Amino acid sequence: RKEVEQDPGPFNVPEGATVAFNCTYSNSASQSFFWYRQDCRKEPKLLMSVYSSGNEDGRFTAQLNRASQYISLLIRDSKLSDSATYLCVVNLGGSNYKLTFGKGTLLTVNP
Amino acid sequence: DAGVIQSPRHEVTEMGQEVTLRCKPISGHDYLFWYRQTMMRGLELLIYFNNNVPIDDSGMPEDRFSAKMPNASFSTLKIQPSEPRDSAVYFCASSFRTERYGYTFGSGTRLTVV
Repeated sequence: RKEVEQDPGPFNVPEGATVAFNCTYSNSASQSFFWYRQDCRKEPKLLMSVYSSGNEDGRFTAQLNRASQYISLLIRDSKLSDSATYLCVVNLGGSNYKLTFGKGTLLTVNP
Repeated sequence: DAGVIQSPRHEVTEMGQEVTLRCKPISGHDYLFWYRQTMMRGLELLIYFNNNVPIDDSGMPEDRFSAKMPNASFSTLKIQPSEPRDSAVYFCASSFRTERYGYTFGSGTRLTVV
């Protein structure tokens, strides 16, 4: 299994649609999980952390399944401004502070 | 706060030349990371520092790459000699205490080696 693996997409959805991104990670000892967003030719920016119990921030919901080593991000009522690449990010465990990034999933929201 | 500041934003250089990329982390952050992003490989961690000390340089591709952090407010990534396959976007990021709250990235340096 790759360290952090995501569906590369691209996802093309109409405005208002619900879209889900999935991610798997290789190390069951991983402790920290995030979703980042990267706009074209820009730097990655933190979208939200992912907590064990799941968490929500407005239209965005993140879930963690430790048993399956799986993270998800759900975007409801998608907007044109949600078009970006979404990166799954994991600290793969151990005593280090490295975050490992997935290659990202490209989302395009169409009018 | 000005965020993580990187310079230059763009660099075009000829193969064999030395390239130096610069980074100023967010004041108070004690971790600094250098990443490289390409279409093929995504974001790859090259090296990271804690309190100005290099902790893990296992991602540095080869001896042509070196990184320093002489003080808490400045770091450099140097490539000597540069090669066309080094063409990528190089990001610097910083964080405080731990990775638990994620990293803040700079705007990146887009390097083209011709």
